[in-house]
Amino acid sequence: SQQGEEDPQALSIQEGENATMNCSYKTSINNLQWYRQNSGRGLVHLILIRSNEREKHSGRLRVTLDTSKKSSSLLITASRAADTASYFCATVLSYNTDKLIFGTGTRLQVFP
Amino acid sequence: DAGVIQSPRHEVTEMGQEVTLRCKPISGHDYLFWYRQTMMRGLELLIYFNNNVPIDDSGMPEDRFSAKMPNASFSTLKIQPSEPRDSAVYFCASSLRRSQETQYFGPGTRLLVL
Repeated sequence: SQQGEEDPQALSIQEGENATMNCSYKTSINNLQWYRQNSGRGLVHLILIRSNEREKHSGRLRVTLDTSKKSSSLLITASRAADTASYFCATVLSYNTDKLIFGTGTRLQVFP
Repeated sequence: DAGVIQSPRHEVTEMGQEVTLRCKPISGHDYLFWYRQTMMRGLELLIYFNNNVPIDDSGMPEDRFSAKMPNASFSTLKIQPSEPRDSAVYFCASSLRRSQETQYFGPGTRLLVL
């Protein structure tokens, strides 16, 4: 079964609104990463948060990590139409640090 | 840097034919990964290499799939014989010195097996 599962599966918002996506995982991690995938394209790395970190920022992105709940959230503030994409969380397990295990993804639609 | 390069971008073939997908990782990256993405199964890791050596091929679905990395700048994923259920987008990715850090993905090869 999937290590990471995103919630919601799909999200539609208006430009300027904030978008929040959640990721839950099952086993202890070394780090957690978020990737974006535009339609028909490869994945692009957004941000990495390590297991000993609780929050990280990058531009309009804010990521939180709660290892006690085995969950992470990605917040995109002041969304733009160009943010329309699928967003995936990916975990690196603490006992096998060679692999990224991807979640199921959240499809975000931002309407102008 | 050109990023990860994959070819072909699209491939349409008939069941039973051999398919070869190609990847050129970012220069200097030590790790190379092959993934498959489908609507039903999401993004699956098939195999990865470290310094041209296959480390884990447990994700390769069956013996019809094989992957090689003859040198640091080239890898192939071969499917022989291909089947309709192999239809998917295949991605190659590379990472610098440690595989748990950022992975850089290529644009993918969209494979359709008729």
